[in-house]
Amino acid sequence: DAGITQSPRHKVTETGTPVTLRCHQTENHRYMYWYRQDPGHGLRLIHYSYGVKDTDKGEVSDGYSVSRSKTEDFLLTLESATSSQTSVYFCAISEPGQGPPEQYFGPGTRLTVT
Amino acid sequence: SQKIEQNSEALNIQEGKTATLTCNYTNYSPAYLQWYRQDPGRGPVFLLLIRENEKEKRKERLKVTFDTTLKQSLFHITASQPADSATYLCALDLSRDDKIIFGKGTRLHILP
Repeated sequence: DAGITQSPRHKVTETGTPVTLRCHQTENHRYMYWYRQDPGHGLRLIHYSYGVKDTDKGEVSDGYSVSRSKTEDFLLTLESATSSQTSVYFCAISEPGQGPPEQYFGPGTRLTVT
Repeated sequence: SQKIEQNSEALNIQEGKTATLTCNYTNYSPAYLQWYRQDPGRGPVFLLLIRENEKEKRKERLKVTFDTTLKQSLFHITASQPADSATYLCALDLSRDDKIIFGKGTRLHILP
């Protein structure tokens, strides 16, 4: 998985609790992304980062926040988890400008909000 | 708004035949289009990228075409094998920046 790890890999939490998912890369890539994948919707971008402390929203950012204090780490926080946020979350990295801008994905985190 | 469609949710192909998957898009002219493979329980894996000025790209048994007039990409797997069974996703760049949008994918089953 191109030097990308996600933690935890599985989590069950209750509605209303805060949850933080972590993405860690060893590739020193500038761009990092958080996606969620749901049946019938495919992969949808939540937030992305184009450098330390530089982040922007994706198409489904409501209810999520992110932080990137180091190149290698990108955190996704659900401030108050809801059942609609039950999903599989994928982190991805890329380094545009040094060749084709393909993305490399982590193994995913399966989150269940009860 | 931009829309990307993969026209089959699932496709069954006999082993040894060529599998052809379709990706259509509307309301946009992407600079490039990508194809990814995803196995159950795993993250997508990049396969091929084709740019707007390229008609065709090949990699081993894989071939991708890109018709910007039809707004369509075709993804071919020749001499298909059961190990090619997976979900295949197409993706295109959004607003010519560093974000991409994904189609919902096509589940390909290669039957032995």
